[in-house]
Amino acid sequence: AQKVTQAQTEISVVEKEDVTLDCVYETRDTTYYLFWYKQPPSGELVFLIRRNSFDEQNEISGRYSWNFQKSTSSFNFTITASQVVDSAVYFCALSSVSDYKLSFGAGTTVTVRA
Amino acid sequence: NAGVTQTPKFQVLKTGQSMTLQCAQDMNHEYMSWYRQDPGMGLRLIHYSVGAGITDQGEVPNGYNVSRSTTEDFPLRLLSAAPSQTSVYFCASSLAGASDTQYFGPGTRLTVL
Repeated sequence: AQKVTQAQTEISVVEKEDVTLDCVYETRDTTYYLFWYKQPPSGELVFLIRRNSFDEQNEISGRYSWNFQKSTSSFNFTITASQVVDSAVYFCALSSVSDYKLSFGAGTTVTVRA
Repeated sequence: NAGVTQTPKFQVLKTGQSMTLQCAQDMNHEYMSWYRQDPGMGLRLIHYSVGAGITDQGEVPNGYNVSRSTTEDFPLRLLSAAPSQTSVYFCASSLAGASDTQYFGPGTRLTVL
């Protein structure tokens, strides 16, 4: 069985602060994929990033960065210099290649105040 | 490309009624799936399909049926609606499977009275 835990339910910050979202996962497979999705107040789900279990290189894309650590089964996501438009629910998700399912965490609501 | 489309956007049903949520994609994706989103629970998989003619159950399949007669369409049927099925429903598709990036439709907000 696979499981994703996002322990932070809500995070509130002031604009320009950095925000780090935690994601811890469980799987018995050695080959798996991790994802982050964003759900803004409009409700659609927007894909942000996909990483495979063999690529632990951390990535930076603009104000977004991801920290993948297999040793701690974590795939954390950081927004640098947050903006009001970053206000959304962020979901971490996991898919193992032996399974045809994508398992989501419960989501973290990020509110960025001007 | 329209991507993944869903209809209707909103729907109100009475307990016991049946209805079909439509989902279509124009990306020639083999894998399609249905999720429901409830507050505090993230998204949970209802049913999925790895190709035309092939469907399987997800985590919460009870009360729902699916079929996949074409690559493009993956309708979700509620057989006899119950208040517990009040939720937001998302359809998604990916090229080859759940490990590929899944692209989501805009969602259907369903209320069962």
